[in-house]
Amino acid sequence: EVQLVESGGGLVQPGGSLRLSCTASGFTFSSYTMTWVRQAPGKGLEWVSYIRSSDGGMFYADSVRGRFTISRDNVKNSLYLQMNSLRDDDTAVYYCAKEGGGAYLTHWGQGTLVTVSS
Amino acid sequence: DIVMTQSPDSLAVSLGERATINCRSSQSVLYSSNNKNYLAWYQQKPGQPPKLLIYWASTRDSGVPDRFSGSGSGTDFTLTISSLQAEDVAVYYCQQYYSTLHTFGQGTKLEIK
Repeated sequence: EVQLVESGGGLVQPGGSLRLSCTASGFTFSSYTMTWVRQAPGKGLEWVSYIRSSDGGMFYADSVRGRFTISRDNVKNSLYLQMNSLRDDDTAVYYCAKEGGGAYLTHWGQGTLVTVSS
Repeated sequence: DIVMTQSPDSLAVSLGERATINCRSSQSVLYSSNNKNYLAWYQQKPGQPPKLLIYWASTRDSGVPDRFSGSGSGTDFTLTISSLQAEDVAVYYCQQYYSTLHTFGQGTKLEIK
């Protein structure tokens, strides 16, 4: 059974940093592209970033490019999101998700809440 | 970036009736080399992560009831629930994965009338 468990969320001040982790199990982690999606309170889904399995290529939404860095450790079966220069509008539940045969998202974690506030 | 626009923003349908949600992309998500539309639909119930319903615009994910169907091509897509059940109350999102920057629609909230 595929499982994705996010951690690392919490309260951080504007301008601060936070590192999210996603631990995967139940599938060959190194073979799949992994994605971060976020959802601000009461709002819709926003695609944030993904990292390809094939070549490690990384892509970011305009709203986070230059501030967030996605990475993965295929030995630890883990996905990461380093978030720097955090702003109030980065407050959201952050989900990690596994891609299927295409880039659609077949499995999602339960999410971790990041709150940016002074 | 490809902008995804869903309509309506909210919808109320009677139990057993058909529900139709539309999604329009700002540019085509049909890849000509394989004739596939890079479009997915997700369902999100309160307090839960999203769940994949449909991919390649019309392929149901494993275990998704056959009352859910997806259609459309190019820039215009539709998610149809043929006979609404109480458990279908949720927010529905479309997503394109054609471009390197994947984007979601704003969501459509489906309720029981």
